[in-house]
Amino acid sequence: GQQLNQSPQSMFIQEGEDVSMNCTSSSIFNTWLWYKQDPGEGPVLLIALYKAGELTSNGRLTAQFGITRKDSFLNISASIPSDVGIYFCAGPPDNAGNMLTFGGGTRLMVKP
Amino acid sequence: DSGVTQTPKHLITATGQRVTLRCSPRSGDLSVYWYQQSLDQGLQFLIQYYNGEERAKGNILERFSAQQFPDLHSELNLSSLELGDSALYFCASSVTGGMNQPQHFGDGTRLSIL
Repeated sequence: GQQLNQSPQSMFIQEGEDVSMNCTSSSIFNTWLWYKQDPGEGPVLLIALYKAGELTSNGRLTAQFGITRKDSFLNISASIPSDVGIYFCAGPPDNAGNMLTFGGGTRLMVKP
Repeated sequence: DSGVTQTPKHLITATGQRVTLRCSPRSGDLSVYWYQQSLDQGLQFLIQYYNGEERAKGNILERFSAQQFPDLHSELNLSSLELGDSALYFCASSVTGGMNQPQHFGDGTRLSIL
């Protein structure tokens, strides 16, 4: 099946630092979604991207839809302890109809 | 709060048994999706319904089935349970189920098979 490669798998950073993570695929995506999952809860949508090259912000979060349509990036600025969680990229590959494929997640840990 | 409600929150049962997981989508959403999240497989799409009809199928085992009712709630039935079925099962919903629509997730049902 389609695969999304997310990196890094985990990050342990100091509060206040900026964070970058990315997602790549061998397939073209028409939409990129970034979700965050807290322990014991379902994934929560952070940002949705719909056009190649699009750059969208949500507070301290900024995500970009790669020009090749095969990658996306998520940046978090000035991290805080509540940013802790697992961040997933997801999207429907071009030829997969409505199915969402998820990346393996980036586990973020923030040291106060 | 995503507006998607899943029950029960936890379920503990034995191998060979059958369980039903329930999902109520967000108000106004017509499409429901089911996902399985396990430690080794991550989030895997199982099946999608739109307005009562099956729309897309992913990696769903034959022992699993689902349906969406006229009031738009959905149920996922898991039968002949095996130890490997232990996982978190998430339901998500979107407005019309279109390819580019974000999906909103419930908090999941944690299924433990003993």
